Amino acid sequence: DSGVTQTPKHLITATGQRVTLRCSPRSGDLSVYWYQQSLDQGLQFLIQYYNGEERAKGNILERFSAQQFPDLHSELNLSSLELGDSALYFCASSGTGVDGYTFGSGTRLTVV
Amino acid sequence: GQQLNQSPQSMFIQEGEDVSMNCTSSSIFNTWLWYKQDPGEGPVLLIALYKAGELTSNGRLTAQFGITRKDSFLNISASIPSDVGIYFCAGLPYSGGGADGLTFGKGTHLIIQP
Repeated sequence: DSGVTQTPKHLITATGQRVTLRCSPRSGDLSVYWYQQSLDQGLQFLIQYYNGEERAKGNILERFSAQQFPDLHSELNLSSLELGDSALYFCASSGTGVDGYTFGSGTRLTVV
Repeated sequence: GQQLNQSPQSMFIQEGEDVSMNCTSSSIFNTWLWYKQDPGEGPVLLIALYKAGELTSNGRLTAQFGITRKDSFLNISASIPSDVGIYFCAGLPYSGGGADGLTFGKGTHLIIQP
């Protein structure tokens, strides 16, 4: 158990729908990162939050958004879903330093 | 954006053999990381490298940060069945600050033949 908890583990939804993925970081970690892993693109950084504030943006689509709440858990919202959004979505958290950068087990999203 | 070119894409080896994989980049990276991912799990950090030329070991794993800051390699000695998985290199770009999102290579799929 990495200490980073992601729910749900699996999600199947239809095109055009909206879903929310949830992440609870390791105790004490202030930073949360979201990544998308697909077969053709590999692991792509989407967005980072630090202590409730957006800190960095990667390759995140406008249809996707995220937030980090006062208790430090984070949610990734994916809307107007397309078939190509089917992927594994990982959350990671860190305190200070790259050594502590820890991934959760991911949410597998299937859009049908 | 920045890209990491990781090779080989896959390796089929016999148990007990040594393994070598590498990552190259067209731009400088300040930190190189090597991760392993098992099926159904997130990547797990194996080795972190912070200085050009640095050579670091973690058990049977050895990784080096290239002196040009544009490459890194990972060696696994005397492979065992539990080494099976996907190995990723990742890096943080050389910069004075800014994004902390990692850039990942596309992975090396290690398969051990009986």
